[in-house]
Amino acid sequence: DGGITQSPKYLFRKEGQNVTLSCEQNLNHDAMYWYRQDPGQGLRLIYYSQIVNDFQKGDIAEGYSVSREKKESFPLTVTSAQKNPTAFYLCASSIGRRSETQYFGPGTRLLVL
Amino acid sequence: RKEVEQDPGPFNVPEGATVAFNCTYSNSASQSFFWYRQDCRKEPKLLMSVYSSGNEDGRFTAQLNRASQYISLLIRDSKLSDSATYLCVDSSGYALNFGKGTSLLVTP
Repeated sequence: DGGITQSPKYLFRKEGQNVTLSCEQNLNHDAMYWYRQDPGQGLRLIYYSQIVNDFQKGDIAEGYSVSREKKESFPLTVTSAQKNPTAFYLCASSIGRRSETQYFGPGTRLLVL
Repeated sequence: RKEVEQDPGPFNVPEGATVAFNCTYSNSASQSFFWYRQDCRKEPKLLMSVYSSGNEDGRFTAQLNRASQYISLLIRDSKLSDSATYLCVDSSGYALNFGKGTSLLVTP
């Protein structure tokens, strides 16, 4: 089955720790995205990548970093500089341009200990 | 930042009812529009795209009014399984903008 997988489902971060969220897709999509969702809030774009080895900041990139070394993979690192990391993190992909329909993975819930 | 505004609800309707949601968008340059459905603690899933001429998919009908800059979603014959949050989305060709969602609860 084609789709987007995210792991882990739940992640706990200690103060001062960097953590990495995994996102993999086998849809052969060029573009991938990371969003953050807080309770009662809309999705906010963290980073996006339209092609391998290239990525751009979204609206709330501070405290986060990404890499896109393979078309299938777009991991997100939440650094210690992100002071309020508790949220639901969603990875998405689309065939090409950002305005096209995006398909989401099941998400990772990050909690701070 | 251009915004997409939705009534958060909740909309409580009995099974079998017809319910309509509206959403407004502020970017007159928006070119593409979508409705996504999000179940509690799950990822958003595409419900339908919204076309200028309006479009229907079974019990769901989406309409676009460019002059007034609003999008609507009509659900007929509501089912218990329709209970979810419905996200209105627009795109200017640069980014997808997600509304905060409208919560629907269908009761027996």
